[in-house]
Amino acid sequence: EIVLTQSPGTLSLSPGERATLSCRASQSVTSSYLTWYQQKPGQAPRLLIYAASSRATGIPDRFSGSGSGTDFTLTISRLEPEDFAVYYCQQYGSSPGTFGQGTKVEIK
Amino acid sequence: EVQLVESGGGLIQPGGSLRLSCAASGFTVSSYYMSWVRQAPGKGLEWVSLIYSGGRTYYADSVKGRFTISRDNSKNALYLQMNSLRAEDTAVYYCARGGTGYTSGGRFDYWGQGTLVTVSS
Repeated sequence: EIVLTQSPGTLSLSPGERATLSCRASQSVTSSYLTWYQQKPGQAPRLLIYAASSRATGIPDRFSGSGSGTDFTLTISRLEPEDFAVYYCQQYGSSPGTFGQGTKVEIK
Repeated sequence: EVQLVESGGGLIQPGGSLRLSCAASGFTVSSYYMSWVRQAPGKGLEWVSLIYSGGRTYYADSVKGRFTISRDNSKNALYLQMNSLRAEDTAVYYCARGGTGYTSGGRFDYWGQGTLVTVSS
C-alpha cells in the first residue's frame, strides 16, 4: 500500500498569502493518478486538481498542482477567505487507492 | 445536474448489518466507476470499495469479506451492504463518482452529502 504523507499538518496564514502544501508518497506514483481535494467542515470533499496538475471544472486558477514521482505540491497563490479548509491528496494508480492524512489551512 | 444522495445510515450494534443506498441522477451509474469513501469522526478520508463500470469490485482490506458493493441499473443506484459491523466502522460514508475509464476511475468528481453510520452498543 502506498502511504501518502502530507505536510505540514496545519498551515496558519492570512488572506492574500501564498500556501504551499506537500504530499510525499512512500513509492513512486504515476502523475496521472494523483489528485487533490478540498474539504470544508460539514461538507463532502471537492475535487480540485487531477493528474497532479490539471484543475477540475470550475476551480479558480489560484490553485495549481505540480510534482512527480514521490513529491507533489498544491499551491494556492493568494488565499481567499473561502480557501481556509482541509486539503487531501490521493493516489489511485496502485491498489488500494489511498489518501493523505490532510493539511488544514487555517486563518492566522 | 449530477446528484448523489445517500441514505440508510444510523445507529447499529456491533455485529449488526446495515445497507447504505446512493441514489444517482444526472448520469448513468453503470457507465462510471463508483466508490464508497468513509470518514471517521474528526479523521481523514478512507476509500472503502469500488465497482467498475464492467462490474468488477474491489475492497479495502479493512472491510473485505464483510462489505459488499453493488448497483441496480434499473434504479440507477449504488449500494453498500455492511455486515459484521465493528466500532471502527463508525464514520460518515460518502458515495462518490469516478471517471469512465481506468485513468480517471479513481478520481472522484462528484460526492454525495454522506450518511453517518454509528456502531455502538
